[in-house]
Amino acid sequence: GAVVSQHPSWVICKSGTSVKIECRSLDFQATTMFWYRQFPKQSLMLMATSNEGSKATYEQGVEKDKFLINHASLTLSTLTVTSAHPEDSSFYICSARDAGQGNEKLFFGSGTQLSVL
Amino acid sequence: GENVEQHPSTLSVQEGDSAVIKCTYSDSASNYFPWYKQELGKRPQLIIDIRSNVGEKKDQRIAVTLNKTAKHFSLHITETQPEDSAVYFCAASGDDMRFGAGTRLTVKP
Repeated sequence: GAVVSQHPSWVICKSGTSVKIECRSLDFQATTMFWYRQFPKQSLMLMATSNEGSKATYEQGVEKDKFLINHASLTLSTLTVTSAHPEDSSFYICSARDAGQGNEKLFFGSGTQLSVL
Repeated sequence: GENVEQHPSTLSVQEGDSAVIKCTYSDSASNYFPWYKQELGKRPQLIIDIRSNVGEKKDQRIAVTLNKTAKHFSLHITETQPEDSAVYFCAASGDDMRFGAGTRLTVKP
């Protein structure tokens, strides 16, 4: 089956620093990737939709200058949390659609637990 | 945009009993409805899905029903086992995928 690799799985950083999270589709091409954030005991909230070669589409309330998304290739999307603060601490998870299988199933990365001190 | 509501938020059943989780969606353009099981700190795992041209789908102890007219879809788990305990999310997908709030299912042995 399709595999999505997400790194790092766990990161602790100081307030004010930036953190980059990578999401790679290992055995398929992902024209669209989605970034979700999940707070403890809550649902997955869509942050942004990332299309290869174009600017990401951000959900209402998500600061595009704070959460920088780059989708430069069909197999890689990155999310950079800039000037991270404790309130940004959360579980971030990416997902990708396999362009070869149509636009239905999403394949999820393993997630990144971000803790900002 | 799409809005997915899910009920109940918590569900506790005795081993062997059935569990039902219900979801509604708002966007009639949504055409794909997956259900995910998520254990603490892990990625969501797809357990079953249904497309808008199908009313019901079953896979062993798990079944999903879809009422496209009413914009309702439900997850049914029969003969529940303790290992079914987890958080379950419904989702509705068109151009993107939106999730319900989740149901914490506890199966008591």
